[in-house]
Amino acid sequence: DTEVTQTPKHLVMGMTNKKSLKCEQHMGHRAMYWYKQKAKKPPELMFVYSYEKLSINESVPSRFSPECPNSSLLNLHLHALQPEDSALYLCASSQEGVVRMFNQPQHFGDGTRLSIL
Amino acid sequence: AQTVTQSQPEMSVQEAETVTLSCTYDTSESDYYLFWYKQPPSRQMILVIRQEAYKQQNATENRFSVNFQKAAKSFSLKISDSQLGDAAMYFCAYSDYNTDKLIFGTGTRLQVFP
Repeated sequence: DTEVTQTPKHLVMGMTNKKSLKCEQHMGHRAMYWYKQKAKKPPELMFVYSYEKLSINESVPSRFSPECPNSSLLNLHLHALQPEDSALYLCASSQEGVVRMFNQPQHFGDGTRLSIL
Repeated sequence: AQTVTQSQPEMSVQEAETVTLSCTYDTSESDYYLFWYKQPPSRQMILVIRQEAYKQQNATENRFSVNFQKAAKSFSLKISDSQLGDAAMYFCAYSDYNTDKLIFGTGTRLQVFP
């Protein structure tokens, strides 16, 4: 069983819909991440939250809007997505390192497979 | 910029045999971490093993071990006594203080035959 829980597991939406992906962890981790992964490719980092504050935005289009309501929960709000946004969206969490996060292993969820019609 | 290269898109191994997956990286940093992650068809990325660059001793986790050659910037993963459950995509990843995020290689798909 994964310690990072993502819901829903699958999502099909039209280009005009608004939906949200949810990620939850109860390991006390203070860093949380969103990745996008296309088939047969490595994950691409989208956003990083550290202590509930956005610390990295990898120039992601504004139709993706992250939110971190508390230290255990991470959301990704979706609006007006394009067909090329169809992918597996992975959430991860890690301990906050002494200075930075780079030496902390990340724990991943099972992902949400998103299809845009 | 730091890069990670996995030159083997696919590998196969017979059950109970040993297989080695290759990974090379490029960096000018002296302090960094290297990781191997496994992603089975179930989709979850699972940490297999981690190596700190300042440690000369190669990391080992049960049947998984690494051959870390810092001067050559090489970080290969050896899987001993391969099992059917080892079949997955394996990603090599790098992280350092400045990037503060994981940089992934393109992955190696491992098939295990009975």
